[in-house]
Amino acid sequence: GEDVEQSLFLSVREGDSSVINCTYTDSSSTYLYWYKQEPGAGLQLLTYIFSNMDMKQDQRLTVLLNKKDKHLSLRIADTQTGDSAIYFCAEPYSGYSTLTFGKGTMLLVSP
Amino acid sequence: ETGVTQSPTHLIKTRGQQVTLRCSSQSGHNTVSWYQQALGQGPQFIFQYYREEENGRGNFPPRFSGLQFPNYSSELNVNALELDDSALYLCASSQTSGNNNEQFFGPGTRLTVL
Repeated sequence: GEDVEQSLFLSVREGDSSVINCTYTDSSSTYLYWYKQEPGAGLQLLTYIFSNMDMKQDQRLTVLLNKKDKHLSLRIADTQTGDSAIYFCAEPYSGYSTLTFGKGTMLLVSP
Repeated sequence: ETGVTQSPTHLIKTRGQQVTLRCSSQSGHNTVSWYQQALGQGPQFIFQYYREEENGRGNFPPRFSGLQFPNYSSELNVNALELDDSALYLCASSQTSGNNNEQFFGPGTRLTVL
């Protein structure tokens, strides 16, 4: 089976950087994903990284991939209160065109 | 471009009943995946439909079944409801061309089983 692991909770102050970490299991994963879920809502794709990349930057978001350790991180620069949400790391599910998710990291941004 | 929609938004049922949840995929998408998200957990893959046939299934019993229609919309049916079926049910649509598993999620249906 597949297990994607994430820390459960992160609290930061507005303006600080946030780093959310994830470990995945399938070394053959071609893409790895970060999704955001706000209270009472579905999942919104934030960004993804192709497995042959080490880093991807998209505005305030930076994704780092360490394939050797199967470690993925999401850095949010200048974190805002609107970034408060649950963040999910995901990898492809067992050869299907669908996804396995971690349990999510709840990010709380205080003013 | 219309996004993924789901109905109903909330539903309350009792143990042993049956429920049908509905999903309309995003325009141009031919694949629908269903997920169950229990409180405090990440979404768990139930099954996927492509061209009106089941195209993969997660670790869920046969009382979870589905359909996909020619317009690519989909239904999730759950028979003999149990208390542990209480969860947010998410539908996601995607286009199978290419090898990117990018999926677009609907807002979900919150099912409560009493």
